[in-house]
Formats: sequence, C-alpha cells, structure tokens
Amino acid sequence: AQSVSQHNHHVILSEAASLELGCNYSYGGTVNLFWYVQYPGQHLQLLLKYFSGDPLVKGIKGFEAEFIKSKFSFNLRKPSVQWSDTAEYFCAVSGGYSSASKIIFGSGTRLSIRP
Amino acid sequence: DAGVIQSPRHEVTEMGQEVTLRCKPISGHNSLFWYRQTMMRGLELLIYFNNNVPIDDSGMPEDRFSAKMPNASFSTLKIQPSEPRDSAVYFCASSLGELAGSYEQFFGPGTRLTVL
Repeated sequence: AQSVSQHNHHVILSEAASLELGCNYSYGGTVNLFWYVQYPGQHLQLLLKYFSGDPLVKGIKGFEAEFIKSKFSFNLRKPSVQWSDTAEYFCAVSGGYSSASKIIFGSGTRLSIRP
Repeated sequence: DAGVIQSPRHEVTEMGQEVTLRCKPISGHNSLFWYRQTMMRGLELLIYFNNNVPIDDSGMPEDRFSAKMPNASFSTLKIQPSEPRDSAVYFCASSLGELAGSYEQFFGPGTRLTVL
C-alpha cells in the first residue's frame, strides 16, 4: 500500500537559514510526487510536483525538491527562508497509472520561522 | 476561474443535529475528494469520486457520514447525527484525474465545523 513519511513534525528556523524537509514514500510502481503548503488559516496549495523527467523540480516561492528514486525520497529545499514561509508542508504521492487520482498525504511538517 | 467552492465556511451546531457540507468542483474536473483535517489526525481522505461515482469510501469514519455527487458540479457530505468528535475542518478538492494526465488537486477553502 502507498504511504508517505514526513519525519520532521515541527521545524524551527531563523530567517535566511536553509531549509530541507524530508519526505519518504512507499509505493511499488510509477509515482507522482507533490509538495503542498498550508499557510495559517488557509487551504492547501500546490508548491511543486514531479511527474517525470528532470528529478530536480523547481516550484513557486524559491522552493525546489529532488526526486531520488533509489532512496524513495522527495525532499523539499529552500536556500534561504523568510518569515512568510511559516506554514505547514505536506508531501504527497499518487500512483502514476491508478484508475483515479487518489493522493496519499503525509502527516505534515510545521515550519516556524523566527524573524 | 472561481476555484473549488465550499459552503458554508463555518458551521456551529449541536450534538445530534444533521450537518450538510457542500462543494462545487472546478468546471471540467472529473475527480472530487472530501478530506477532514484535525490537529490529532492530520489530513484524512474520507471519500473520492471519479466521474460522479464513489470510488473509495474506506476513509468514511462510520455510517453517520454519507456523501453524494448527483452531478459533475455538486457534491455533499452529510453527517447525521453529528457528534462533538466530528469537529474539524472539512476540505473538498477536485482534479482532472488520470485521463487528462494531470494529478494535481485543487483545494477549496474548507468548512470549519464545530459540534457542541
């Protein structure tokens, strides 16, 4: 069965620090991978996605993620965080050829940025 | 594009009452999802539809929960009778689905349900 693990539940950083949030998935076939962000009091929004091709994916707001197939990982990175990046971040996976677009979400990582 | 529309945005009700949450997906999307988000359990998929047909309702907590999608532009999630432990934010999301080659889900603003 598909599963997604986000090992960091809460990360606290200072502004300008570099960020890396871990995401590991378990799935036996072709996968599509996502990172969603939920700002305080708002709904989830797509940050970036990987379907195929270049394993280094660039998203909005300076975020990027690297798909490493051998490690079943899709870690999210940002070289220099800002206070406005305070949010909850969800990694998600779906099967590439499933009969419907069911996405499995990780438990989320709460990111707090100290000004 | 108006995005996914949910109503009401906030609902406060008393235990035992019936609650109906509504969702209008993005026009042209053929998959619709209902999620529940709580501090304790995070984001849980309750049920999803593809072309108006329920595909997987294994996440529905119990018989008090039911969902319908009578047409491509409308879905409801009903809780009857409601209980305090049902208090959560309920999100609806839609996507183009596999046939269109896109798997991104677009989320609505959510309905914050409080059951007293």
